[in-house]
Amino acid sequence: EAQVTQNPRYLITVTGKKLTVTCSQNMNHEYMSWYRQDPGLGLRQIYYSMNVEVTDKGDVPEGYKVSRKEKRNFPLILESPSPNQTSLYFCASSGIQGSSYNSPLHFGNGTRLTVT
Amino acid sequence: AQRVTQPEKLLSVFKGAPVELKCNYSYSGSPELFWYVQYSRQRLQLLLRHISRESIKGFTADLNKGETSFHLKKPFAQEEDSAMYYCALTSGTYKYIFGTGTRLKVLA
Repeated sequence: EAQVTQNPRYLITVTGKKLTVTCSQNMNHEYMSWYRQDPGLGLRQIYYSMNVEVTDKGDVPEGYKVSRKEKRNFPLILESPSPNQTSLYFCASSGIQGSSYNSPLHFGNGTRLTVT
Repeated sequence: AQRVTQPEKLLSVFKGAPVELKCNYSYSGSPELFWYVQYSRQRLQLLLRHISRESIKGFTADLNKGETSFHLKKPFAQEEDSAMYYCALTSGTYKYIFGTGTRLKVLA
């Protein structure tokens, strides 16, 4: 089944303890991205990647890191989490149509992170 | 600046009533517009995109470049339509811009 898989689904941690949220897709998509979803703010893009070893900042990258060593994986790293990073996180991927990135996004199930 | 505006946080309608979820955007070029839906306890999924001109689950959306709008419409709401709806824009670059979402509640 074609899908985007995120792990874990739920995570509770303490301030300053490094964590990684994994994201994997089996659709051979070039484009992958991370979003956070907060009440009243909708989805905001954190980082995105156009292909292996190519990543760039979205609208809210502060406090996050990513890596794209393999096409299928795009982990989100919080080196020193803080309470304001408590949120629902989504990973998404899409293929490329022609030279653009207008293909629809395929989303993971989400990771609910709580930082105390 | 690119922006997607969904003015209603919550929209409640009765079953069988027409539904219109508003979406306005600001972008100087030729964007592509999408509607994504998130049902309770499910992942976000594509509902429809403007270039497809499809009707999905009875929903349609027409891109109005003059009014810079992409409102989502359905003539007769069903209880299973209750969900969170997001309007999104992409310009063919690497960024997707999402609106803040509208929660649709269809009342029995």
